[in-house]
Amino acid sequence: DIVMTQSPDSLAVSLGERATIICKSSQSVLSSSNNKNYLSWYQQKPGQPPKLLIYWASTRESGVPDRFSGSGSGTDFTLTISSLQAEDVAVYYCQQYYSTPPTFGQGTKVETK
Amino acid sequence: EVQLVESGGGLVQPGGSLRLSCAASGFTFSSYWMHWVRQAPGKGLVWVSHINNDGSSTTYADSVKGRFTVSRDNAKNTLYLQMNSLRAEDTAVYYCGRAVWGNHPQDHWGQGTLVTVSS
Repeated sequence: DIVMTQSPDSLAVSLGERATIICKSSQSVLSSSNNKNYLSWYQQKPGQPPKLLIYWASTRESGVPDRFSGSGSGTDFTLTISSLQAEDVAVYYCQQYYSTPPTFGQGTKVETK
Repeated sequence: EVQLVESGGGLVQPGGSLRLSCAASGFTFSSYWMHWVRQAPGKGLVWVSHINNDGSSTTYADSVKGRFTVSRDNAKNTLYLQMNSLRAEDTAVYYCGRAVWGNHPQDHWGQGTLVTVSS
């Protein structure tokens, strides 16, 4: 199984400031056949199901604010919230869908400072 | 509007069985792969199983293989998860989610149903 490791486990950021979450995979999730990274990001607020934010490492899901961006390739990925809003307080998960089983990172809790 | 509504959770003793359902509406259910993902209390997300759009192919996490069975009824727009030989470590909120194909990310999720395995 591909192991996904996120850092940090938690992050406190002032409103309006940038938040950056790192996700590393134990093996590459870049497909040589289509040059796509099989990496997604989810947001989960307390008591709610996860919400898909980004797929193919950098493509925002419809309706997701453009302050959320994803980058990276191969084994190293980043989720950036350019200007943290109060409603962004949540746990964020990366997930690889390159191979079965699809696996999630352990999550990063984002709070306001 | 896409809706997924899980049901069937509850308290069950170790070794017992439970069947979860996920009722889908607002989209062409038979066109999508469906997934089950679980989340133990205070813990992260763990993929459990998926089934292809016509129900002919299923895959399971090693932790549930041989104990859980995923199925679907496209005429009823419903996904199922039959859980047998339940263990304490199966205690979790179980979410269903849809995906356009295979392991692709789940773009819609239900609210989840809580399964508690305890004596």
